[in-house]
Amino acid sequence: GAGVSQSPSNKVTEKGKDVELRCDPISGHTALYWYRQSLGQGLEFLIYFQGNSAPDKSGLPSDRFSAERTGGSVSTLTIQRTQQEDSAVYLCASSSQGSQPQHFGDGTRLSIL
Amino acid sequence: EDQVTQSPEALRLQEGESSSLNCSYTVSGLRGLFWYRQDPGKGPEFLFTLYSAGEEKEKERLKATLTKKESFLHITAPKPEDSATYLCAALDTDKLIFGTGTRLQVFP
Repeated sequence: GAGVSQSPSNKVTEKGKDVELRCDPISGHTALYWYRQSLGQGLEFLIYFQGNSAPDKSGLPSDRFSAERTGGSVSTLTIQRTQQEDSAVYLCASSSQGSQPQHFGDGTRLSIL
Repeated sequence: EDQVTQSPEALRLQEGESSSLNCSYTVSGLRGLFWYRQDPGKGPEFLFTLYSAGEEKEKERLKATLTKKESFLHITAPKPEDSATYLCAALDTDKLIFGTGTRLQVFP
């Protein structure tokens, strides 16, 4: 596809379960970003990948959050032992290089019961 | 602390009534200022990038301008389909710092 693809689009899970969110960036984009958008708040940076490396993980809120990227393409964001405060929309973006526009997917809406 | 502030939080306009949205920023290592449009249930859609003070970009009814401390998104003769949340973001090193957005509603 031409754009950033995220799956699933919606995820409902019970508190304490682990979840995996997937992002397929635009083909050829080397930079990949994860953000979180909570109700009534702005987008919050989580992590940045350049290729398969993550030079900036400063936005990950706790050690329950981790992310990886393989083959310079697909990325997975994993949240372990989910808590209710993890409920949010998780957005992925990609760009051709650091200073170029970031193009976003439509996000995964995560609800923790 | 790096910060991006947008005003107003919400704006209601009559169709054809021009206005401006404000984005003020304090980012020490600014590498660019970005404007996005976000519709409900969708991800942000890229509109403009501004890299230096004095720069202007235009697209249809929208024009973005940049000074050393703020950016403006001017909307000329808006239409109902311009209704959306408009987000401003400052690129700091490798990540975007977003404002909380302006919710624009344009009524016929």
